[in-house]
Amino acid sequence: DGGITQSPKYLFRKEGQNVTLSCEQNLNHDAMYWYRQDPGQGLRLIYYSQIVNDFQKGDIAEGYSVSREKKESFPLTVTSAQKNPTAFYLCASRPLGTDEQYFGPGTRLTVT
Amino acid sequence: GQQLNQSPQSMFIQEGEDVSMNCTSSSIFNTWLWYKQDPGEGPVLLIALYKAGELTSNGRLTAQFGITRKDSFLNISASIPSDVGIYFCAGLLYSGSARQLTFGSGTQLTVLP
Repeated sequence: DGGITQSPKYLFRKEGQNVTLSCEQNLNHDAMYWYRQDPGQGLRLIYYSQIVNDFQKGDIAEGYSVSREKKESFPLTVTSAQKNPTAFYLCASRPLGTDEQYFGPGTRLTVT
Repeated sequence: GQQLNQSPQSMFIQEGEDVSMNCTSSSIFNTWLWYKQDPGEGPVLLIALYKAGELTSNGRLTAQFGITRKDSFLNISASIPSDVGIYFCAGLLYSGSARQLTFGSGTQLTVLP
């Protein structure tokens, strides 16, 4: 089945630790995105990548890092520099030539 | 950056009723997308709109791209229990090569039996 997978579904970490969230797609989409969602709010863009080995900061990139070594993978690292990392993280991908973004199931990160 | 005002913030309706929600912006958008999100899941794309004035349906859902390019509307007819969830609008303004979506804050829909 084609789709976007995010793992794990739930992640717990201690404050001060870096953590990496996985996002994989087998849709052959060129662009990939990471969003953060907080309760009662819309989605805010963290990073995006339109092509392999290239990525751009979104509106709230501070405290996060990404890599795009393969077309199908776009992992997000939440570093200890992120002041308020507890949130629901969503990965999305977009095929070339359209504006339609398709989302994965999300990862809920809790940092205590 | 651009901001989207989505209303209402929440709605409680009886099963079988029609629902209407909208998004407005002070900026002009080139594309409008409507998503539905179930609790703990990722948003699912419902409808994509690309032209001012465009009216597009997907089953019981109908969405319109406003003529001014600054607003969009989503209507759900004859609501059923599985329509419960959060509905998000998203607008896209082309800026160079970037295609970044701006999201509304969502409309929480509750359908009462």
